[in-house]
Amino acid sequence: EVQLVDSGGGLVQPGGSLRLSCAASGFTFSSYSMNWVRQAPGKGLEWVSYISSSFSTIYYADSVKGRFTISRDNAKNSLYLQMNSLRAEDTAVYYCARYSGNYYGMDVWGQGTTVTVSS
Amino acid sequence: QSVLTQPPSVSGAPGQRVTISCTGSSSNIGAGYDVHWYQQLPGTAPKLLIYGNSNRPSGVPDRFSGSKSGTSASLAITGLQAEDEADYYCQSYDSSLSRWVFGGGTKLTVL
Repeated sequence: EVQLVDSGGGLVQPGGSLRLSCAASGFTFSSYSMNWVRQAPGKGLEWVSYISSSFSTIYYADSVKGRFTISRDNAKNSLYLQMNSLRAEDTAVYYCARYSGNYYGMDVWGQGTTVTVSS
Repeated sequence: QSVLTQPPSVSGAPGQRVTISCTGSSSNIGAGYDVHWYQQLPGTAPKLLIYGNSNRPSGVPDRFSGSKSGTSASLAITGLQAEDEADYYCQSYDSSLSRWVFGGGTKLTVL
């Protein structure tokens, strides 16, 4: 079964750090680009970051640039999001999503992990 | 303010047909980038519903259909069922912003 499992969320104080993980199974992880997408409480979906299958291309939303770092370990079939200098507005459910190209879209999603930034 | 504009809500009775619009611009939908639709049932992760403007992934009922014209796209749902009650999001790529963009989402209520 093709599956993504998100983990690593939690409660963190403003200015703190957190590392999210996404474990992939059921497909050749190294062949796919990946995205992180977040959803603030009661709000819509917001794209956060992208990494290509070969690590060569990385993009960030302006709202997280310079604070978040996306990475992957193809040997471990895992995607990561290192989040530093966290702000209250980063509070959201974070989803990893497999990206199968402009034509196929984000075709597999994790179940999400909740990040709460509060003192 | 989302780059792609969707109505906040739509509603319909069981068995009826509803459509959800997604309006973009010349830097995203109008530039030829494909539109995708996602269904988010309450308390769950989004699920790909329509890809490449009008294609259904395996397992998605043919009651769901998508179309694209100019700078807009639409999702149509026929034969509404209670289990269709969910939030629906359109998504594309914007070349001016150099990022993936989502619509603000539309809440479908089955009356």
